[in-house]
Amino acid sequence: EVQLVESGGGLVQPGQSLRLSCAASGFTFSNFEMSWVRQAPGRGLEWLSYINSGADTVYYADSVKGRFTISRDNAKNSLYLQMNYLRPEDTAVYYCARDLNSWSVYYFDYWGQGTLVTVSS
Amino acid sequence: DIQMTQSPSSLSASVGDRVTITCRASQSISTYLNWYQQKPGKAPKLLIYAASSLQSGVPSRFSGSGSGTDFTLTISSLQPEDFATYYCQQSYSVSPRTFGQGTKVEIK
Repeated sequence: EVQLVESGGGLVQPGQSLRLSCAASGFTFSNFEMSWVRQAPGRGLEWLSYINSGADTVYYADSVKGRFTISRDNAKNSLYLQMNYLRPEDTAVYYCARDLNSWSVYYFDYWGQGTLVTVSS
Repeated sequence: DIQMTQSPSSLSASVGDRVTITCRASQSISTYLNWYQQKPGKAPKLLIYAASSLQSGVPSRFSGSGSGTDFTLTISSLQPEDFATYYCQQSYSVSPRTFGQGTKVEIK
């Protein structure tokens, strides 16, 4: 069974940093691309970042570019999101998602349960 | 960036109703369009990928159609467990991967 479990969320002050983790199981993690998606309270879904299986290609949404860094450790079956210079508008539930690439069609076929990040003084 | 616009933003329907949700892209995206269902407090769930392909395990009352800029998600006979928010998402552009604003399906 595919499982994605996020951790590392919490309450931080503006300007501080936080590192989210996503532990993957039930599939060969090193073969799959991954993404982070967030959802602010009462709002819609926002894609944040993508990383390919070999970690040599990454993409970011403009809203987090230069502040957030996506990475992965295939030996540990883990995905990470380093978040620096956090702002109140970064308050959201953060999801990791398996980014399936099937014949150049990308879609998020599995999602974690999410971890809440609250940025407030 | 490719903008995705869903309509309506919300709708009220009864069990057994046929429900249609529309998603429009700001430019042609061929069939690079996915649909997700999200229930309160839960992670999104993939329903449809590549505009019309039903994800494994998803009931056949869900269907998707469209290409280019206009797409439709149809629920042929609404069931109690289908009351949720639905999002479209384009994958024509790998970055950014934009979502529609969501359509909330409520009980009439």
